[in-house]
Amino acid sequence: GAVVSQHPSRVICKSGTSVKIECRSLDFQATTMFWYRQFPKQSLMLMATSNEGSKATYEQGVEKDKFLINHASLTLSTLTVTSAHPEDSSFYICSARNSGTGHLYGYTFGSGTRLTVV
Amino acid sequence: AQKITQTQPGMFVQEKEAVTLDCTYDTSDPSYGLFWYKQPSSGEMIFLIYQGSYDQQNATEGRYSLNFQKARKSANLVISASQLGDSAMYFCAMREGLNTGGFKTIFGAGTRLFVKA
Repeated sequence: GAVVSQHPSRVICKSGTSVKIECRSLDFQATTMFWYRQFPKQSLMLMATSNEGSKATYEQGVEKDKFLINHASLTLSTLTVTSAHPEDSSFYICSARNSGTGHLYGYTFGSGTRLTVV
Repeated sequence: AQKITQTQPGMFVQEKEAVTLDCTYDTSDPSYGLFWYKQPSSGEMIFLIYQGSYDQQNATEGRYSLNFQKARKSANLVISASQLGDSAMYFCAMREGLNTGGFKTIFGAGTRLFVKA
């Protein structure tokens, strides 16, 4: 089945530093990937849609300069949290659409990244 | 305005019994898809079941079934014969604009299910 690998699973960083999170589709091509943020005990909030070879589309209220998204290939999208602050601490999850299956619901989620900014 | 509403923040069910998790949605798009996902404590998202707006029959996947009532705009998840491993957070989600290639999925607030032994 389709597998999405997200790395790292956990990261602790100092305030003011940048952190990069990778989302890879291992056995399929993903022209579109999505980045979500989940606060404790809350739902997933869509942050942005990552499109291979073009700029990401950010949801309202998401700072594009703070959350840099790069979808340079059909199997990799990265989310970089720049100048991280404690309020950026959260669980970040990516999902990828399997463009090759033709299934309407061809989404696969990564296992998530727990970011803690100290 | 909330597009996906899950009114039950927490639910308890006895092992081996059935449980229904509620989900209502709001859309003016005639073509949409409804999803249910399970999120165990590990954080991963597990796809459970899908219902298309034009599907005539309710979707079923093993012990999971979706009670789709289009006129009421509800898509409740029914889990039969609950197991201890079903204890998790459950999210209802919707994707609009399938006819126009819409891919963005929005999620409800989730329902925490506790299965009692």
